[in-house]
Amino acid sequence: NAGVTQTPKFQVLKTGQSMTLQCAQDMNHEYMSWYRQDPGMGLRLIHYSVGAGITDQGEVPNGYNVSRSTTEDFPLRLLSAAPSQTSVYFCASSYSPGGLQGYTFGSGTRLTVV
Amino acid sequence: AQKVTQAQTEISVVEKEDVTLDCVYETRDTTYYLFWYKQPPSGELVFLIRRNSFDEQNEISGRYSWNFQKSTSSFNFTITASQVVDSAVYFCALIVGGSQGNLIFGKGTKLSVKP
Repeated sequence: NAGVTQTPKFQVLKTGQSMTLQCAQDMNHEYMSWYRQDPGMGLRLIHYSVGAGITDQGEVPNGYNVSRSTTEDFPLRLLSAAPSQTSVYFCASSYSPGGLQGYTFGSGTRLTVV
Repeated sequence: AQKVTQAQTEISVVEKEDVTLDCVYETRDTTYYLFWYKQPPSGELVFLIRRNSFDEQNEISGRYSWNFQKSTSSFNFTITASQVVDSAVYFCALIVGGSQGNLIFGKGTKLSVKP
């Protein structure tokens, strides 16, 4: 099924560990984004990309790194996990910024840092 | 800078009541797009509607309707005859036309529909 696939769905990390959250889409969308969702805070943009090789920072980029080597994949790396990064992470994609069908979201990754 | 405000944090209604979720946005751009998303208890984000800044026509889809007013920078969402299945968190979001992909969300309104 076409869509945005995020892995893993759940993850527990120890403080200081690193990991990569995977995001892949098969809709040939150029625009991809990472958000984190915390209670009472809505969704906050971490990083986004307008195509392979092009990324930029969003509202809360500190502690995260991204790269976009292909159109399909947009992994999010946590360099040294901290308890403040405990959150639900969503990846999204769209064929354009104001996409007629909106942004398609993955099912999310629930991350706990202990 | 762009901003989306959803002043209602939580709303509770009884089934069959009508309910309106408010969304106020801020932008200096003349070209922009507004969205509503639904997040049910299962956690996924479901796209409901997208509206561009040049189209102020209100939209109705079944029990859902949207009222876009540029004069008040608002894009409100009304559910008519609410049902328990409407219980969810609803997010309003904004992106400007020249953007490189930074879709900005409000903090969401949690709607509880009681039987």
